[in-house]
Amino acid sequence: QVQLVQSGAEVRKPGASVKVSCKASGYTFTDNYIHWVRQAPGQGLEWMGWINPNSGGTNYAQKFQGRVTVTRDTSISTAYMELSRLRSDDTAVYYCARDLGERGDACDMWGQGTMVTVSP
Amino acid sequence: QSALTQPASVSGSPGQSITISCTGASSDVGGYDYVSWYQQHPGKAPKLLIYDVSDRPSGVSNRFSGSKSGNTASLTISGLQAEDESDYYCSSYTITSTHVIFGGGTKLTVL
Repeated sequence: QVQLVQSGAEVRKPGASVKVSCKASGYTFTDNYIHWVRQAPGQGLEWMGWINPNSGGTNYAQKFQGRVTVTRDTSISTAYMELSRLRSDDTAVYYCARDLGERGDACDMWGQGTMVTVSP
Repeated sequence: QSALTQPASVSGSPGQSITISCTGASSDVGGYDYVSWYQQHPGKAPKLLIYDVSDRPSGVSNRFSGSKSGNTASLTISGLQAEDESDYYCSSYTITSTHVIFGGGTKLTVL
């Protein structure tokens, strides 16, 4: 079955970086964009960006430009999201999600989420 | 860019219908038919209910329906069931540098 499995919870200090992985299975990895969406505790969803696994092309929300890098390794059907210069307000659950295709908007399959805690 | 505007909470009794609104602007909801709706139970990942304003993915109950008028999209849930109690989020493509924007979320309580 189609699934996205993310790496485990992370704890970082302010100013550090974190890299979260998202391994896809059950479909052709290069057929669908992968999005990254985060959710701070008790808050709503916030879109961060997407990657086209076929070309490696990316599109980031302006808010995260310069701090986020999304990459992929097609040999292992895995996408990565790295967020640098972490602040306390980056504490959130980070989700990867599969686009309906190559649209760049709706996501029909989500990973289980990765909790990233930023604390001194 | 600010999030799309959703009511913080709505409620209804089993069997009733409820509607959740999602208000944006001409740069997002009003300008494109790329509105989606998600259901999120506590501690779980979101689930896609509606895309392209009114299309349902396979496996989603036809009790969930979507529509749009001007800058406001709506999600209607008919025949409310206890398991519908959840948080609901709308999202839209936006021409701005944000690209994809979410609503603030609506908590549905089934009385």
